[in-house]
Amino acid sequence: RKEVEQDPGPFNVPEGATVAFNCTYSNSASQSFFWYRQDCRKEPKLLMSVYSSGNEDGRFTAQLNRASQYISLLIRDSKLSDSATYLCVVNMENQGGKLIFGQGTELSVKP
Amino acid sequence: EAGVTQFPSHSVIEKGQTVTLRCDPISGHDNLYWYRRVMGKEIKFLLHFVKESKQDESGMPNNRFLAERTGGTYSTLKVQPAELEDSGVYFCASSQRPGSSTGELFFGEGSRLTVL
Repeated sequence: RKEVEQDPGPFNVPEGATVAFNCTYSNSASQSFFWYRQDCRKEPKLLMSVYSSGNEDGRFTAQLNRASQYISLLIRDSKLSDSATYLCVVNMENQGGKLIFGQGTELSVKP
Repeated sequence: EAGVTQFPSHSVIEKGQTVTLRCDPISGHDNLYWYRRVMGKEIKFLLHFVKESKQDESGMPNNRFLAERTGGTYSTLKVQPAELEDSGVYFCASSQRPGSSTGELFFGEGSRLTVL
């Protein structure tokens, strides 16, 4: 079983749509959670951290459910520029920068 | 400010040859990481330097891979001899603080390695 599992997609949505990505992680010792974004043939970039209380950054909302070991990312009012692969990432306590990546969910926003 | 730079951007070699990948982290970042993405798989951790010391090399696949960071500045990752399964994109990342505190690693654009 993979440590971090995501639906690979692709998700094809029209501009303005709301889209949600889900992610599950297997190790209950996971301590920190993040969403990274990766454009085609580019490097991954941190989109946002995910906190237990849930957090929002503009059109993006991230949620964490530790009991279910489940992380989500909601994108409202999708823009063409949101097209990318979204990577669910976890980190263990005392593991330095050893991030554990999911395979990524591909999003394509169409006009 | 310059980001993480990697060289070469793409390398095509034959099985059995040697390749050396280079990473220049963001100036002042003590933490340097190597990750790899094999086609169809997720990005996986290879190792972590703090300055010139290897903090964690648990992700290195085998002894054909050698990473160095002499002087605590740039790093190299050598694959010798290369095998077909080594093909993939090798990402370098750096951070000022250990990634666990903020999750933010700054990645380079990667070095794509193709072994024929």
